[in-house]
Amino acid sequence: KQEVTQIPAALSVPEGENLVLNCSFTDSAIYNLQWFRQDPGKGLTSLLLIQSSQREQTSGRLNASLDKSSGRSTLYIAASQPGDSATYLCAFDRGSTLGRLYFGRGTQLTVWP
Amino acid sequence: DADVTQTPRNRITKTGKRIMLECSQTKGHDRMYWYRQDPGLGLRLIYYSFDVKDINKGEISDGYSVSRQAQAKFSLSLESAIPNQTALYFCATSESPGRHEQFFGPGTRLTVL
Repeated sequence: KQEVTQIPAALSVPEGENLVLNCSFTDSAIYNLQWFRQDPGKGLTSLLLIQSSQREQTSGRLNASLDKSSGRSTLYIAASQPGDSATYLCAFDRGSTLGRLYFGRGTQLTVWP
Repeated sequence: DADVTQTPRNRITKTGKRIMLECSQTKGHDRMYWYRQDPGLGLRLIYYSFDVKDINKGEISDGYSVSRQAQAKFSLSLESAIPNQTALYFCATSESPGRHEQFFGPGTRLTVL
């Protein structure tokens, strides 16, 4: 059974801090890893996709890394802003032809002014 | 306009009623998925489809059925709704073959009384 653990479950920080959100997984057959953002009452927005041959991806103030050997991915948020407040989810697929995602339960982030 | 749309956005129904949730996408993707999200449990896969002629069960398909009416449309039905099907339901799409990056709709909040 694939398990994805996200730590911490919740995080509250003042604006301007640099943050690290962690995602660990027990499945060694991970292929791609995707980070999402979910705002209350809304759908999931794809933030970053780390494909099988990659180790990290960057988009603006976000940087995600993937270490398959240790079963870990981190999402780094630089200079956090109140608008970053949301729940962040990581998910991986096992490649093959399925493409289905296995999700963590998320980290609920609050950035206060 | 949103690439992945879901209707209705909110629905309250009674035990035993038949309910259909609809998903449409304009991304031109072949693969479509239905997930449900429960507090504290993360997202779990209900059904997925790789093309119009392909339907596959996910990890929690009991009590649900689906129909892939066209490449762009994928419907989820609850034949006889029960209270523990109260959840947030998401439709998602991805390319095939491709990056396996998944794109989500805004969700349908279903309450079964």
